[in-house]
Amino acid sequence: EVQLVESGGGLVQPGGSLRLSCAASGFIFSTYYMNWVRQAPGKGLEWVSYISSSSSTIYYADSVKGRFTISRDNAKNSLYLQMNSLRDEDTAVYYCANKLSGSYALDSWGQGTLVTVSS
Amino acid sequence: DIQMTQSPSSVSASVGDRVTITCRASQGISSWLAWYQQKPGKAPKLLIFATSSLQSGVPSRFSGSGSGTDFTLSISSLQPEDFATYYCQQANSFPLTFGGGTKVEIK
Repeated sequence: EVQLVESGGGLVQPGGSLRLSCAASGFIFSTYYMNWVRQAPGKGLEWVSYISSSSSTIYYADSVKGRFTISRDNAKNSLYLQMNSLRDEDTAVYYCANKLSGSYALDSWGQGTLVTVSS
Repeated sequence: DIQMTQSPSSVSASVGDRVTITCRASQGISSWLAWYQQKPGKAPKLLIFATSSLQSGVPSRFSGSGSGTDFTLSISSLQPEDFATYYCQQANSFPLTFGGGTKVEIK
């Protein structure tokens, strides 16, 4: 069974940093392309970042470009999101999700981790 | 960036009703359109990919159609477990973008 478990969320002050992790199991992580998607409280879904299986291709939403860094460790079956220069508008539940083979649809999702940026 | 516009933003329906949700892309995305269901406090669940392909385990009362810029998600006979928020997503190019969501509520 595919499992994605996010961790690392919490309360951080504006301008601060946080590193999210996503632990994967139940599938061959090293062959899957991964994404981060976020959802502000009471709002819709916003795609944040994408990383290919070998980390050779990475994309970011304009809203986080230059502040967030996606990475992965295939040996540890883990995905990461380093978030710097956090803003109030980054407050959201952050989900990791794997890409469906043959499509850029998002197949399996974690339960999410809440990031709150507030002074 | 490709903008995705969903309508309606909410719909009230009864068990057994047929419900149709529309999603429009700001430019052509061929058939690269996915639909998700999200219940309160839960992660989204992939229902349909490539416009009309049902994800494994999704009931056949869900169906999708369209191409280019106009797409629909239909639920043929609404069940109690279908009351949720539905999102479309274009899977054609980065940045991936979602529609604003359609909340299906109990009438």
